[in-house]
Amino acid sequence: TQLLEQSPQFLSIQEGENLTVYCNSSSVFSSLQWYRQEPGEGPVLLVTVVTGGEVKKLKRLTFQFGDARKDSSLHITAAQPGDTGLYLCAGPNAGGTSYGKLTFGQGTILTVHP
Amino acid sequence: SAVISQKPSRDICQRGTSLTIQCQVDSQVTMMFWYRQQPGQSLTLIATANQGSEATYESGFVIDKFPISRPNLTFSTLTVSNMSPEDSSIYLCSVEGRQGPETQYFGPGTRLLVL
Repeated sequence: TQLLEQSPQFLSIQEGENLTVYCNSSSVFSSLQWYRQEPGEGPVLLVTVVTGGEVKKLKRLTFQFGDARKDSSLHITAAQPGDTGLYLCAGPNAGGTSYGKLTFGQGTILTVHP
Repeated sequence: SAVISQKPSRDICQRGTSLTIQCQVDSQVTMMFWYRQQPGQSLTLIATANQGSEATYESGFVIDKFPISRPNLTFSTLTVSNMSPEDSSIYLCSVEGRQGPETQYFGPGTRLLVL
């Protein structure tokens, strides 16, 4: 079974601070996805990283996929209250009967105080 | 990305009753998924629902408790049967993205409280 360990579980910071969320596994993933979920909503896909070493930027968010494709990180620069939410990393399970299934990390609850 | 709607958005139910949750997508998709999520926690896959075949359930979830229908490529239902307070949760449907199921798009969820 492929597992994704996400850390930290909780982050409470002030507006303007930087933060990094980590997503680690002992397994290789063909890709990793990052989702953000706000209260009362479903998870929204932020990015998919596919290539080892890949870096993707989405405004103040920077996503990195490890060279060995076993880990990923999400860095937020100058966090704003609108960044508050639950951040989830997810990766597709290996093929066979697991085709199409996603493994999710435990999630990081981020609170940005004004 | 696909636009996904779920009905109802929330409900309060009595134990022993059943609730059917609907998931509607604005485009045809082969794979649809049903998840359960405790507030503030991660997602647990209940089952995969492909049109034209029986749903595939994950360990810990059974068809008698969570029967699923997938009558066409844009619609699915999940029924939570004989509910108990332990079934109180958020239920989410998702669909595969254009590039395949490695990328999934989620509905807004159904918030269920069982008394």
